[in-house]
Amino acid sequence: ETGVTQSPTHLIKTRGQQVTLRCSSQSGHNTVSWYQQALGQGPQFIFQYYREEENGRGNFPPRFSGLQFPNYSSELNVNALELDDSALYLCASSFERSSYEQYFGPGTRLTVT
Amino acid sequence: KQEVTQIPAALSVPEGENLVLNCSFTDSAIYNLQWFRQDPGKGLTSLLLIQSSQREQTSGRLNASLDKSSGRSTLYIAASQPGDSATYLCAVVLGGSQGNLIFGKGTKLSVKP
Repeated sequence: ETGVTQSPTHLIKTRGQQVTLRCSSQSGHNTVSWYQQALGQGPQFIFQYYREEENGRGNFPPRFSGLQFPNYSSELNVNALELDDSALYLCASSFERSSYEQYFGPGTRLTVT
Repeated sequence: KQEVTQIPAALSVPEGENLVLNCSFTDSAIYNLQWFRQDPGKGLTSLLLIQSSQREQTSGRLNASLDKSSGRSTLYIAASQPGDSATYLCAVVLGGSQGNLIFGKGTKLSVKP
């Protein structure tokens, strides 16, 4: 059974640029959630995709957007990057939306300069 | 609004000690509660999941309890080892939500040899 994977591991972008982060969910999981974790803080929910549709969104602006593909992998896109977007971005997958354990990937460390 | 608080923020203990980490939440209408471990700069590893109908879960040296009515959970670690050093996060899923996790800021544990 393959766990949750994320790519890239690290990346550095300049303010104003756009970035795409990728996540492959655990085999058999149909739900993917994205979280942003600033240094010293707990992860904050960005949005969730369930069977290719956005299923809920946290308090993040529209420049944070996403996709889920038929194989349940997912992308997180961030436009017009700001310095405060520097964080660890975590992807989590589960079999269903709320009833099952969520499994996290290793994260993508984004630095915006 | 659900808030999750973890006390203490940091804890340093000698190897071999039994210890308790605390988590409290303001809204008792939770669906489940999950404890995670996070090593520096890494993703989250799920330790224990407690459904709202359960009182506790055990895995090896770890035992987590849940008291929904008082809005509290504890993670008990027996016979601590230096390899247990990490940040421990608790998170809840609200009943009726889309299943997103609401996290505390974590407790940073250091176990000294």
